[in-house]
Amino acid sequence: RKEVEQDPGPFNVPEGATVAFNCTYSNSASQSFFWYRQDCRKEPKLLMSVYSSGNEDGRFTAQLNRASQYISLLIRDSKLSDSATYLCVVKGAAGNKLTFGGGTRVLVKP
Amino acid sequence: DADVTQTPRNRITKTGKRIMLECSQTKGHDRMYWYRQDPGLGLRLIYYSFDVKDINKGEISDGYSVSRQAQAKFSLSLESAIPNQTALYFCATRGVEANTEAFFGQGTRLTVV
Repeated sequence: RKEVEQDPGPFNVPEGATVAFNCTYSNSASQSFFWYRQDCRKEPKLLMSVYSSGNEDGRFTAQLNRASQYISLLIRDSKLSDSATYLCVVKGAAGNKLTFGGGTRVLVKP
Repeated sequence: DADVTQTPRNRITKTGKRIMLECSQTKGHDRMYWYRQDPGLGLRLIYYSFDVKDINKGEISDGYSVSRQAQAKFSLSLESAIPNQTALYFCATRGVEANTEAFFGQGTRLTVV
């Protein structure tokens, strides 16, 4: 089983709609969680950290469920510019390694 | 200028050749990483370094070596390139706090023929 798993998609989303997707992680001792965004053939960039109580940044909402070991990302009022691959990233308890999921591709269409 | 700079950006090399990918950063971070990305597999960690004298293997270090020449520089070498090392390679740097962001270079697209 992979340490961090994501549905690869693609999620085809009408412009203005809401889309949500999850990421599961296997190590219950994982400490920190992030969502990164990656545009085609570009470097990943931090979208948002994920906090225990959940957090929101504009149209983006991230949630953490430690009991079921998953994090989620919800995008409201999707824009064409939201089309990208969203990478789930988990930091373990030991050391400072970041483990990446395979990414979820989102395509927002007019 | 980018905070994390990778050179070269693109490279085609022949099987058996030695190649070095270079990374430099201006963030002042101690932690530096090399990842490779293959379609559908996300980013996989090759090597990482927490300090100039510290080198650690990641999950896929076989066939690779690294050198941390200075705090700001971390290079990745393929001693004898093989076609399945064709991939997109990213260097990253990160601060010490738990929730700090990782900053990535723009990537090096390596093709081994």
